[in-house]
Amino acid sequence: GIQVEQSPPDLILQEGANSTLRCNFSDSVNNLQWFHQNPWGQLINLFYIPSGTKQNGRLSATTVATERYSLLYISSSQTTDSGVYFCAVGSGGSNYKLTFGKGTLLTVNP
Amino acid sequence: DTAVSQTPKYLVTQMGNDKSIKCEQNLGHDTMYWYKQDSKKFLKIMFSYNNKELIINETVPNRFSPKSPDKAHLNLHINSLELGDSAVYFCASSQLLGPNYGYTFGSGTRLTVV
Repeated sequence: GIQVEQSPPDLILQEGANSTLRCNFSDSVNNLQWFHQNPWGQLINLFYIPSGTKQNGRLSATTVATERYSLLYISSSQTTDSGVYFCAVGSGGSNYKLTFGKGTLLTVNP
Repeated sequence: DTAVSQTPKYLVTQMGNDKSIKCEQNLGHDTMYWYKQDSKKFLKIMFSYNNKELIINETVPNRFSPKSPDKAHLNLHINSLELGDSAVYFCASSQLLGPNYGYTFGSGTRLTVV
């Protein structure tokens, strides 16, 4: 099956710093989503981005499908950005299954 | 109104028992899922249903039996619980692919088998 690798596994920032999280995948995808799991365990969908670039406030994401990677940018980080960021992909024409990466644990200190 | 709601939020039970987790979505989505998150936070698909039909069964033991009485509900029944079943179980839903596509997850059910 498709492999999803996220880097870095852990990231510690001071409030106000910027960061880039990376997601590499091993095969072509028709579905790529970024999620944030907050410290209380809630999973929030950030972006559906199988290709191209999207922005939502301080967050933006870019997927270069031909090179099999996606980037999540967090600017002016806040303590509420802390948590685990997951990249998840769907491939093989199936819209009914996402394969998740192991996540990046982000800690933003005040 | 909660978009995807799961009950119960916490479940502590003894080995060998049978338990159920319920999930309901009020988003009008066609597809619902069960995902399992282990102690290392790894998320893995268990089942996918589209309009009440089972689409994906990801090599889950037969002790796990999903049921979808209608497209707004997807329940998970687990027989003969084992210690290794301890995890957080997430229900999710999604609509057809489109510009606003994306999964909506429930808040999770933390199952502890003792």
